[in-house]
Parts: sequence; structure tokens; C-alpha cells
Amino acid sequence: AQTVTQSQPEMSVQEAETVTLSCTYDTSENNYYLFWYKQPPSRQMILVIRQEAYKQQNATENRFSVNFQKAAKSFSLKISDSQLGDTAMYFCAFIRTQGGSEKLVFGKGMKLTVNP
Amino acid sequence: ETGVTQSPTHLIKTRGQQVTLRCSSQSGHNTVSWYQQALGQGPQFIFQYYREEENGRGNFPPRFSGLQFPNYSSELNVNALELDDSALYLCASSLVGRRAEAFFGQGTRLTVV
Repeated sequence: AQTVTQSQPEMSVQEAETVTLSCTYDTSENNYYLFWYKQPPSRQMILVIRQEAYKQQNATENRFSVNFQKAAKSFSLKISDSQLGDTAMYFCAFIRTQGGSEKLVFGKGMKLTVNP
Repeated sequence: ETGVTQSPTHLIKTRGQQVTLRCSSQSGHNTVSWYQQALGQGPQFIFQYYREEENGRGNFPPRFSGLQFPNYSSELNVNALELDDSALYLCASSLVGRRAEAFFGQGTRLTVV
């Protein structure tokens, strides 16, 4: 099965604190990309961070970093120094190649609320 | 903002009607993908267009169809609308071969009554 599981439907954190969002996935592909997307109330899906599966080094983008455990098929997102603007739905996803197309497979998402 | 624009932003249709949603891809992007996001769910892949042809499809019935135009913009058409078609429809554009760089529009919220 090609699936993404986000087991925490909702989390809240205080401003300036650190929060970790969990994600596990299942894919039979060897070379793939993993992503975290943010979807604020404006609805637009915004790329937060991406990780190439063949790279052992965890990706980092400013306050956002990942813990990629390939053998365990785990891909968690850590948000440091949380800001009110981080309040959004967060989706974990990977790219799957099927025939001639490449499609994103998403988890169900997790609602993050940053409290002042 | 990503440069991917979708229209309309909202619309309401009656069961059995037909609807057309539009997507203008980011400049230079030649691939367009469409996703359906039901309330409380992650987006589900509908299909992808490259060089004006469908080159991949998810688990959606044939009444979901699409087009891609020479300028790479795209349309999603849904015939015989059902209540379960109510969802946010997202368009994503990318450049073939640059598989990790898909950019999304703001979506079209379709309500079927």
C-alpha cells in the first residue's frame, strides 16, 4: 500500500515553544521525496520542507526541521520557536510515480494551533 | 503566492449539473495536476496533464475529465454532479523532471446541493 499516516489529528502549543508533528508512510519505491505542507485558512497548500529519501542528512528550513528515519518509514516535523502564523493544517506527503505521472500521496492532516 | 491561480474561488451547483473549474499554471510549468480535498481529509489525486494529454489518473470515475491547453492552463470538468463531489479542488503545477517542485493554487470550493 502507498499510504501516509498522521496519527495526531490535533495539537496545540504555546507561542515560542517547540512542537513535533509525526508522520509514518508506506511506499515500495526506492527513490522518493517526502514533504510537509501547510494549509492555512486561506486554503492554499504551501510547501514547508522537503526531503530526498536517498539523502541521510535531515532537511532544515529556518525554524522547520525534519527527523527522517528511512528504515522505520518515519518523517516527523519539528517547529521551533512557534509563531501565531504557524497555526494551520499540516499535511505529510510523498511523491509516487505511477505510469507516466507523479502524484502526491497525502495524509489526513493535523490541525496545529499556536496560542499566544 | 505561487503564481498558480484558480477560478472561481467558490461555487454552488445542484445535483446532476455539470461544472468546469479552471487553473492557470505558474509561468514555465508544463504539468498540471488536480486534487480533490474532502472536508477533514487530505487531498486525493484526480489526474495529471502533460503536453495536453492525461498521463495519470487516480481512482475517480470518468465523469471527472480534464483538458490542458497549449499555454499549459487546465480545466477540470465534472458531469452529473453528486452530493459527495462537494469538496475543495486544488490545482498544482510543476515542471516535468522537477518532481519535488509542485506549486498549488488557492483552490475552488465546490458545494453540491
